[in-house]
Order: sequence, then C-alpha cells, then structure tokens
Amino acid sequence: AQRVTQPEKLLSVFKGAPVELKCNYSYSGSPELFWYVQYSRQRLQLLLRHISRESIKGFTADLNKGETSFHLKKPFAQEEDSAMYYCALSSRGNNRLAFGKGNQVVVIP
Amino acid sequence: GAVVSQHPSRVICKSGTSVKIECRSLDFQATTMFWYRQFPKQSLMLMATSNEGSKATYEQGVEKDKFLINHASLTLSTLTVTSAHPEDSSFYICSATAAGANVLTFGAGSRLTVL
Repeated sequence: AQRVTQPEKLLSVFKGAPVELKCNYSYSGSPELFWYVQYSRQRLQLLLRHISRESIKGFTADLNKGETSFHLKKPFAQEEDSAMYYCALSSRGNNRLAFGKGNQVVVIP
Repeated sequence: GAVVSQHPSRVICKSGTSVKIECRSLDFQATTMFWYRQFPKQSLMLMATSNEGSKATYEQGVEKDKFLINHASLTLSTLTVTSAHPEDSSFYICSATAAGANVLTFGAGSRLTVL
C-alpha cells in the first residue's frame, strides 16, 4: 500500500528564514514523488517532481530511498510561499496519487 | 497551459437527491481523469480513475453505486453522487491527464453540501 506522511500540520517561518517540509513514504515498488502546492483560493498545482531534479521557485527536494524521504526545502522563505503543500506519491508510470495530509506554511513578514 | 474546469463549484442539495459534478478538459484531450474527495482540513483521497470509453476503476472502500462516474468523451467526466446524505458533504476535486502524459492538471473543486 502507498502511504505518505507529512508530520507537521502548520509551519510558521519568518521571511528570509529557511523552510523545510518533511515527507516520508512507504511503498514497495518504484515510486514517483511529487510536491503539490495550493495557494489561497487557487487550485492544486504541481510544484516539483523528483525525476525532474530541478529547483522551482527556489524549492528543491531530494529523493532519499534509504530513508524513504522526499523533504522539501527552500533556503530563504518569501511571503508568496505562504500556501498549503502536499507531498504525493505514485507508482512509476501511473498517475494514481496518494497524498500526504499537507502542510500549511505561513511566512511572516 | 492545460486547463480543467469543474462545475458546479458549489452545490447544496436535499438528502436523498442526486447531484452531478462535471469535469472538463478545456484545451486538451483527457484520456484519464481522476476523482478525489477532501474533507475539511484533511488530505485529498483518490476515489476513482476514469478512463475514456471504459468503466471507472474505484479505490478500495469507495462505493461505485454511490459515486457513479462516466467518462463518455475525451473532454468530459462526470461524478454523480446518488441518494446523497449529509455524510457525503465534502469537497470533490478532479484531475486530468492526456494520453502518454505524466502531468496532472487539477480542477478547482466542487463543494457539495447535503442538507
């Protein structure tokens, strides 16, 4: 079974401070990991995926298969980063997503 | 970019009635659409996978007779909540992807309130 765990529900950080959102997963197969973001009053959208290995809006996430983690990081938070962030997993080549419970990030000016 | 439209965005109905929610891909052909349910302050839970021209595949624990899914065209999937009850009140979200693509585009969601 696919399972995604995001331990912290709410994360408040000051502008300019680092942000790290933790995501751990359990899956027996070959997973694809994603981070989705939902800004206030907007729909869910893809932030980044592990296979792309790219930085989006200053965010990065590295898949650590040994620790079964896919933590999201940004060195300097901006006010516009305030949003709900969901870690998600699917099996490779399959778009059936299992979502974590999400993290509400509030960046304090 | 790819756009997915959901309608209605909000619906209130009486207990025992049926409600239909539409999910449309506006500028691409969606061979596969997914339906999710989100309770307040909870995560999205995948309900079913809808493939154009075939029966939907439901996740474990989701009643297929309760949540009827139709994907009759490459741009439209519908979710019908039959004989709705207050416990069916939730936020229903769809996503869509084109054939061979591995990017999902999400709709804005539909909030159902059953009185």
